[in-house]
Amino acid sequence: DSGVTQTPKHLITATGQRVTLRCSPRSGDLSVYWYQQSLDQGLQFLIQYYNGEERAKGNILERFSAQQFPDLHSELNLSSLELGDSALYFCASSVQYTGELFFGEGSRLTVL
Amino acid sequence: QKEVEQDPGPLSVPEGAIVSLNCTYSNSAFQYFMWYRQYSRKGPELLMYTYSSGNKEDGRFTAQVDKSSKYISLFIRDSQPSDSATYLCAMSARASGGSYIPTFGRGTSLIVHP
Repeated sequence: DSGVTQTPKHLITATGQRVTLRCSPRSGDLSVYWYQQSLDQGLQFLIQYYNGEERAKGNILERFSAQQFPDLHSELNLSSLELGDSALYFCASSVQYTGELFFGEGSRLTVL
Repeated sequence: QKEVEQDPGPLSVPEGAIVSLNCTYSNSAFQYFMWYRQYSRKGPELLMYTYSSGNKEDGRFTAQVDKSSKYISLFIRDSQPSDSATYLCAMSARASGGSYIPTFGRGTSLIVHP
């Protein structure tokens, strides 16, 4: 158990809908990262927050947004969903800046 | 060319074998090098974390980094069926905001058969 909690574990929704994925980092970790994992693309970095502030942005679509709240939990919002958004979405946390990440179990999103 | 190249396998070995997993990379800015293990339907788990060129050993695992060749390796000694998983290499460079963001390889699927 990495100490990173993600909910929901599974989500099935329809195209055009909006979903919110939630992440609680390990106790004491200030940094949260979001990654998308699909069979054809592997693990792709989406966005990173540190203590409530956005620090780095990767290949995150404009339809996606995220935030980190004062209690350090984070949410990833996915809107106007398309079939291609079906993937595993991972949250990871880190106490340091250097990329030593601890991953949650992921949220599996299926868009029908 | 992808920044990080990793052979997807699968790599199938008998129990007790020495396993060698490798990645190459093109970005000279990478400073930190990691190996993660991912079991099916689980999140990646950090196995090894190194900064400099050279070897780092932890139990049955040895991580090797050769920055001059842009090549990293993970060796697993006395492999066990429980080592069957996908192994992801990752490397991080400093982003504009000051954080180091890991870039992952596609992963190598390892199967250790009894």
